[in-house]
Amino acid sequence: SQQGEEDPQALSIQEGENATMNCSYKTSINNLQWYRQNSGRGLVHLILIRSNEREKHSGRLRVTLDTSKKSSSLLITASRAADTASYFCATDDNYGQNFVFGPGTRLSVLP
Amino acid sequence: EAQVTQNPRYLITVTGKKLTVTCSQNMNHEYMSWYRQDPGLGLRQIYYSMNVEVTDKGDVPEGYKVSRKEKRNFPLILESPSPNQTSLYFCASSLSKRGVFNYEQYFGPGTRLTVT
Repeated sequence: SQQGEEDPQALSIQEGENATMNCSYKTSINNLQWYRQNSGRGLVHLILIRSNEREKHSGRLRVTLDTSKKSSSLLITASRAADTASYFCATDDNYGQNFVFGPGTRLSVLP
Repeated sequence: EAQVTQNPRYLITVTGKKLTVTCSQNMNHEYMSWYRQDPGLGLRQIYYSMNVEVTDKGDVPEGYKVSRKEKRNFPLILESPSPNQTSLYFCASSLSKRGVFNYEQYFGPGTRLTVT
């Protein structure tokens, strides 16, 4: 099955810096989603970007999608300690039914 | 409050003892799904359901069963649990429109299962 792979696996930055995480996938998609997970908790949806969109913003989050390269990036600007979490990208199959999550990027924002 | 609930939140059991993890959502979502999360592997989809009485296998369905008799409930059944099913399990639901299911998923808080 298709798979999202996040890069890097772990990222450590200072508060106020920007954090960029990347996701690559293998086959055609309808949309790509980014989720955040605080340690051991349920996932929280951040942004959904559809295959015909190239960029999307939500507050301090900016997501890009390049379907020709089968990749997406999540940028968190002016990071805060509260942004410390794991971030996952998820892709769907062509019918939007079967979702595949990558292994995630662990972000640590140091005060 | 819109939410997905799971019970129990924590469970320790022994090999072979049948168990059920319940999942319920109050958002009238058609799509529901179960995932397991293991270190280094991310979330893997076990089963999903597009509507009442409609279920399908995800990537790792072996050893699991599901049912969808009502729209709000989607229980996960382990008929004969084994230690390799020790994991963190999440239930999720999402909206659908005109048969399209690619909308954001709402996740439950998780069930931590240990099989000894």
